Amino acid sequence: SQTIHQWPATLVQPVGSPLSLECTVEGTSNPNLYWYRQAAGRGLQLLFYSVGIGQISSEVPQNLSASRPQDRQFILSSKKLLLSDSGFYLCAWSAGTGIGYTFGSGTRLTVV
Amino acid sequence: AQKVTQAQTEISVVEKEDVTLDCVYETRDTTYYLFWYKQPPSGELVFLIRRNSFDEQNEISGRYSWNFQKSTSSFNFTITASQVVDSAVYFCALRGFGGSQGNLIFGKGTKLSVKP
Repeated sequence: SQTIHQWPATLVQPVGSPLSLECTVEGTSNPNLYWYRQAAGRGLQLLFYSVGIGQISSEVPQNLSASRPQDRQFILSSKKLLLSDSGFYLCAWSAGTGIGYTFGSGTRLTVV
Repeated sequence: AQKVTQAQTEISVVEKEDVTLDCVYETRDTTYYLFWYKQPPSGELVFLIRRNSFDEQNEISGRYSWNFQKSTSSFNFTITASQVVDSAVYFCALRGFGGSQGNLIFGKGTKLSVKP
């Protein structure tokens, strides 16, 4: 069966520090991968999606970047965190048809 | 442009009451999918239902039921005989097949509080 892993679960980082959140999927090949952010406890916003290795599309210009170094690995990064980067980050995957989405357990990021 | 509107920000009910969560969507795509997700306090998103644009049959799953009406672009969710464990934020979402690849659009969510 397919599973999605996301870590860490919680993260507190100072302003200006780098960020790396990792997401991996097991049990499937060539998934579509997504990063969503939920700020202030509401509203899920799509940040990045990827349909293949090295293929990243950004939905919203911001202080973050994403990479997909392997088929089932999706990384969210920042060189210098801002206070506004605080939020709940969710990774998700779907099959190529993009109909069903499965979400990871999320990372709660607090920038202080 | 695609859009999902959940006009109810917060709803509070007493246990055993029925409650309906509203969802109105906008899309120009003729093929699309609608979803409902539940987000308990722990934060993970729990999939509840997926409905495609060609299937307007209402669906019932235990205490949950969904009313899909294309004429009013609505996909409402009803919980019958609510329970405290139903307390969560509920999201309605839309996935069209004419817009950007992989873009699942979410409403802002409705926070449901069920009091004992």
